[in-house]
Amino acid sequence: NAGVTQTPKFQVLKTGQSMTLQCAQDMNHNSMYWYRQDPGMGLRLIYYSASEGTTDKGEVPNGYNVSRLNKREFSLRLESAAPSQTSVYFCASSVSASGRANEQFFGPGTRLTVL
Amino acid sequence: GEDVEQSLFLSVREGDSSVINCTYTDSSSTYLYWYKQEPGAGLQLLTYIFSNMDMKQDQRLTVLLNKKDKHLSLRIADTQTGDSAIYFCAESNRNTGFQKLVFGTGTRLLVSP
Repeated sequence: NAGVTQTPKFQVLKTGQSMTLQCAQDMNHNSMYWYRQDPGMGLRLIYYSASEGTTDKGEVPNGYNVSRLNKREFSLRLESAAPSQTSVYFCASSVSASGRANEQFFGPGTRLTVL
Repeated sequence: GEDVEQSLFLSVREGDSSVINCTYTDSSSTYLYWYKQEPGAGLQLLTYIFSNMDMKQDQRLTVLLNKKDKHLSLRIADTQTGDSAIYFCAESNRNTGFQKLVFGTGTRLLVSP
């Protein structure tokens, strides 16, 4: 049981390049999330998917797109990377919120640098 | 909107108790969480409490909730060097169907031998 896995672990991009961050979970969770973590700012929600087939914007969605490929996989795409997108990106999953505690399990993160 | 605030840094000696504090602004039905992040790793859920509770204890961890002041604390008894990490407070509430978590900026705990 690997939990939440993310690829790649590290990535360096040039301004304007595109890339996709991959996330997969093997816990049969319904909900999945993408966050970014910047120094002094905690974690901020980029996009989330409450269930397979749905996606919604979070606090900081500009410059990103997401795809819920199936129940297991949720990818984050940067179409034209900017230096402001240099950050650590975390994927998380949970059974479902639905009026109860939203116990989220996190992946190890992807450290992205945009030059 | 929701806001969660924490102090940035706490330093304690091994064997002492640590108390990490958090304040939140939302007043609707709320779950409040404590996460731990070790260097280079993702976040790990430690515990959570619902806003109709005053206290929750789990081994060395005690969570206290003051609903009137919207103040949450995490007490770690007999703090060990392995407890050195960043601790995040977070909340989810009825307004968003408990779907979104709002995180504080994190408190870095340093435990010295």
